[in-house]
Parts: sequence; C-alpha cells; structure tokens
Amino acid sequence: DTAVSQTPKYLVTQMGNDKSIKCEQNLGHDTMYWYKQDSKKFLKIMFSYNNKELIINETVPNRFSPKSPDKAHLNLHINSLELGDSAVYFCASSRSVAAEETQYFGPGTRLLVL
Amino acid sequence: SQQGEEDPQALSIQEGENATMNCSYKTSINNLQWYRQNSGRGLVHLILIRSNEREKHSGRLRVTLDTSKKSSSLLITASRAADTASYFCATGLTGGGNKLTFGTGTQLKVEL
Repeated sequence: DTAVSQTPKYLVTQMGNDKSIKCEQNLGHDTMYWYKQDSKKFLKIMFSYNNKELIINETVPNRFSPKSPDKAHLNLHINSLELGDSAVYFCASSRSVAAEETQYFGPGTRLLVL
Repeated sequence: SQQGEEDPQALSIQEGENATMNCSYKTSINNLQWYRQNSGRGLVHLILIRSNEREKHSGRLRVTLDTSKKSSSLLITASRAADTASYFCATGLTGGGNKLTFGTGTQLKVEL
C-alpha cells in the first residue's frame, strides 16, 4: 500500500562504481521528483519529470541521469560515484506540476560512498 | 545562500507546551508549505498557505505568513512526544510551478 516506494533503502558502495536507485508511485500522479538531503539535512531538488518528460534539472553533474520509463517510475542512475555523493536521496510525486500540489515523499535511499 | 532559513535550529520542550518555529525567505513566493520529517523517514506534508493568506489552521497547527517581512511561523499547540521530528518550510516561487525550495529545518524534541 506504500504510495511512493524506493529501492534500495540502503546502498553502500565504493568510489568509482555505478549504481541505480529506483522509485515507484502508485498514486496515479503525473509528476515525480528526486531530491538530495545532505548530512546537515539540507534538502535540494535535483530533477523533476512530468508525464515522463524532464522539466527541472538543477545543475546536477552529468554523472546523474534520471530515467522515467513510465509515469509511475522515476529511476536515478549515478556513474562514477564520488565521496560527496553520500547523502539520502528522496523520490517524491505530485498530482501535477501546478503550484500548490502536495508532494508525497518516499522513505529515502541512504547512499554511502566509501 | 538558501531560500528558506529556519530558527531555531533545534527546540526542546515539555509535552503540553506550545512549539513555535520560524522561517524566513528571500524572494516572492506563490505559497509556503510546512513538512515534517521523522527520524530516518521521508517528509510528510503538513499545511500550505498561499501568498495572499495571512493565517491558516489545521488541527493543532497554526501557520502565519507575513509577505512584507518574508517570514512564516508554525505553531504546534499542546505538543506531544509524537511531534518529535524535524520541521521544514518550503517555498513555491511565483512562476515556479511546483518546484519547492526547502529551508534548513528545525529539530523539535518533545519530552515527556
């Protein structure tokens, strides 16, 4: 019954590796997001997709590549992982891109790069 | 610099007391939202206030917005231990669609 789910919950990997995080929402929403929360709990948007199209790209390094195979899924692939990529990554969704639409967050994926 | 900054950074109160958190922002907004994050969990939407509103209530929550001062406050009345969490304000900018910019958060601890 989870509205927004992410896998994996924890990810520990070596520098230089490539990894993916998956996100699925069963709310029938059109819009999905990826956020990064750093160790100081600062939360910053990375990407947003609406109906599988990229609408927000917040100057994230090219090593990060989101992919939306359908409206219910938004995956995040990270190449050549760096120590600074260690963070908690949250997926979220909303009914549309309209202002004031509530965003529903997933439980987060805790990424640790060693 | 960040769009939203909150104070205090941390707040510790006794159960039954009221908790007030403040948020300041820098640019024109369409709306301001408050979210709660329990330890190790995702964010949960609490309340939204539009730029043309001054005050809004939802249960034990009261939010005010002063656009002239570019600030908002969240008041939680009669706090409970279960209110222990981090609270974030998030601003939706004018013309920014549904893009949210989050503040730095206030960590609230409610002790029995």
